[in-house]
Amino acid sequence: QMQVVESGGGLVKPGGSLRLSCAASGFDLSDYYMHWIRQAPGKGLEWISYISGSGRTIDYADSVRGRFTISRDNARNLLFLQMNSLRAEDTALYYCSRATYYHAGAYFFDYWGQGTLVTVSS
Amino acid sequence: DIQMTQSPSSLSASVGGRVTITCRASQSISRYLNWYQHKPGQGPKLLIYGASSLQTGVPSRFSGSGSGTDFTLTISGLQPEDFATYYCQQSHSTPPYTFGQGTKVEIK
Repeated sequence: QMQVVESGGGLVKPGGSLRLSCAASGFDLSDYYMHWIRQAPGKGLEWISYISGSGRTIDYADSVRGRFTISRDNARNLLFLQMNSLRAEDTALYYCSRATYYHAGAYFFDYWGQGTLVTVSS
Repeated sequence: DIQMTQSPSSLSASVGGRVTITCRASQSISRYLNWYQHKPGQGPKLLIYGASSLQTGVPSRFSGSGSGTDFTLTISGLQPEDFATYYCQQSHSTPPYTFGQGTKVEIK
């Protein structure tokens, strides 16, 4: 059974750091691009970062660029999001998701975890 | 960046009824449009990809149409388990991979 499970969320003060993890099972993580997507309270979904299967291609949303770092450990089937310089507006439920390509350049997010909650507050 | 605008932001409908949600892109995205269903406490679930292709296991009461900038998700014969929030998402361009703001479908 294919699934992803996020962990590592919690309460952190503004300016603090947190590292999220996403454990994949039932598929080989190295075969897929993986993404982090978040949902702030009462808001919609916001894409924040992706990493290619090899880890060589990475990108971020402007809202987190320079503060967040995505990485992966394919040997352990794990995805990470290192979050530094956290702000109140980073408070959200953070999801990891697998991207499956079905056509040249076309993909969808087909597996999502239940999310891990990050609260940034003093 | 490509902006995605959904309408309405919320709606009320009866079990057995028909629901139509629209999604408009700020520029042409061909058919690179996906639809997701999101319920509290769960991760979003893929319903439709490529504007009109039904994901495996998704009931046929869900359908999608459109191309270019205008897209529609239709639920025919609404079931109790369909009450949720629905999001469109474009996968056409380089990042950011934007979502619509969501449409909450509530019970009338």
